[in-house]
Amino acid sequence: GAVVSQHPSRVICKSGTSVKIECRSLDFQATTMFWYRQFPKQSLMLMATSNEGSKATYEQGVEKDKFLINHASLTLSTLTVTSAHPEDSSFYICSAQDRGVPTNEKLFFGSGTQLSVL
Amino acid sequence: GQQLNQSPQSMFIQEGEDVSMNCTSSSIFNTWLWYKQDPGEGPVLLIALYKAGELTSNGRLTAQFGITRKDSFLNISASIPSDVGIYFCAGQKGGSNYKLTFGKGTLLTVNP
Repeated sequence: GAVVSQHPSRVICKSGTSVKIECRSLDFQATTMFWYRQFPKQSLMLMATSNEGSKATYEQGVEKDKFLINHASLTLSTLTVTSAHPEDSSFYICSAQDRGVPTNEKLFFGSGTQLSVL
Repeated sequence: GQQLNQSPQSMFIQEGEDVSMNCTSSSIFNTWLWYKQDPGEGPVLLIALYKAGELTSNGRLTAQFGITRKDSFLNISASIPSDVGIYFCAGQKGGSNYKLTFGKGTLLTVNP
C-alpha cells in the first residue's frame, strides 16, 4: 500500500532554533498535503493545507511566519518551525492525498514527529 | 477550529466484549471517517461513510452514518488485545475539499 514517510520521528532542540520536518509520499504523487498538530491525549488539529507549487493555506490562528510550509514537488512537503519555543512542543503529523485517486481511501498519514523544545 | 463531540473519552473492556463509540456535530458533514491511532504513529483509516444512513462493515468493525448527517457511530465486536489504541472520528464537508475535522478520540483498553 501507499506509504507516507515523515522524518524525523523525534527531535529535541533548544529554544530559539528552527526545526524542519519532512513529509514524503513514497509511491504516489501528492498535489495536496496537510499538516496537523496533536497535543497529548488531544485530537488532531489542522494547521495548514499545502498545495504543490503554491502557497500553503493556513488555518485561523496558525502563524504562517512561525510555521513555514514548502511543497516544492509532488512528493515532498516540509514544515519548518522557526525560532521554536517550549510551547511549540507537540506531535506533528502530515497527510498526503494521492492525486491519481482523489478519495479518502487514498489519503494517507505519516507516522508523526514528536518535537520537544527545551 | 470546530471539533466533533466524541464519546466516550476512554473505555476499559475485557477481551471478547463488544464496544461502541459515537460522534456528534452541530453541523452537517458529507463524509464521516473512522481512524485508529497507535501510540507514536499517524492515524490509519478504518471505515469511510459517504451516504446518510449508510451502514458499513470492515471485519469486526461496523460504522453508521447518521440520517441527519450530524452523527456517526463505530462498533467493534469481539474485541481482541490488538484493538487497543485511540479511535478518532473525522468529518469532511466534501467536494474537492479534503480537510478533516477530528473528534477528540476514544482511548480503548482491552484487558486479556
